[in-house]
Amino acid sequence: DVKVTQSSRYLVKRTGEKVFLECVQDMDHENMFWYRQDPGLGLRLIYFSYDVKMKEKGDIPEGYSVSREKKERFSLILESASTNQTSMYLCASSFSNSYEQYFGPGTRLTVT
Amino acid sequence: RKEVEQDPGPFNVPEGATVAFNCTYSNSASQSFFWYRQDCRKEPKLLMSVYSSGNEDGRFTAQLNRASQYISLLIRDSKLSDSATYLCVVNRMTTDSWGKLQFGAGTQVVVTP
Repeated sequence: DVKVTQSSRYLVKRTGEKVFLECVQDMDHENMFWYRQDPGLGLRLIYFSYDVKMKEKGDIPEGYSVSREKKERFSLILESASTNQTSMYLCASSFSNSYEQYFGPGTRLTVT
Repeated sequence: RKEVEQDPGPFNVPEGATVAFNCTYSNSASQSFFWYRQDCRKEPKLLMSVYSSGNEDGRFTAQLNRASQYISLLIRDSKLSDSATYLCVVNRMTTDSWGKLQFGAGTQVVVTP
């Protein structure tokens, strides 16, 4: 069974704090993704990585950065958290030749 | 216009009944289509791929209409456990990296006893 784990289920941070969200997958997937999910907006792609140290901006990269130093781990960084970054953050992974993405359980981030 | 549009619902369905809903997509060049299921407070999971000829998986039937650019999902003999949000998903047509998907906001289905 594919397993994608995320470092926290719930997180509360203050405005201006630097926030790290970590994602680990155990299926040797090449692709990894970070999304945020908001009511009525669906999943929006923040960043995407198709290989170690490779990253691409998604639809809403502003205010975020990512790091992929190892194949199994993809980190999302909020450089200076703002209240409009309060959301559910979902990590996903897939093989390079597949559209089937496997999701982690999500991190509900609240920025106060 | 959103790339993938869905009726948010909720579709309230008596147990045992049939429910069907559609999703429209804007990019006529899209080639791959999927339905994902997301239970309340859980992560999305792939329910089924949608093929040009239509396909069935047990009580679930998916159809693709390329001319009108929509896909549909039909659930027969609804079970209480079918209550979920169904996400319509289309591959993104980009010249760069493969594997990116465009998600609809979801259609909520509530099956009642």
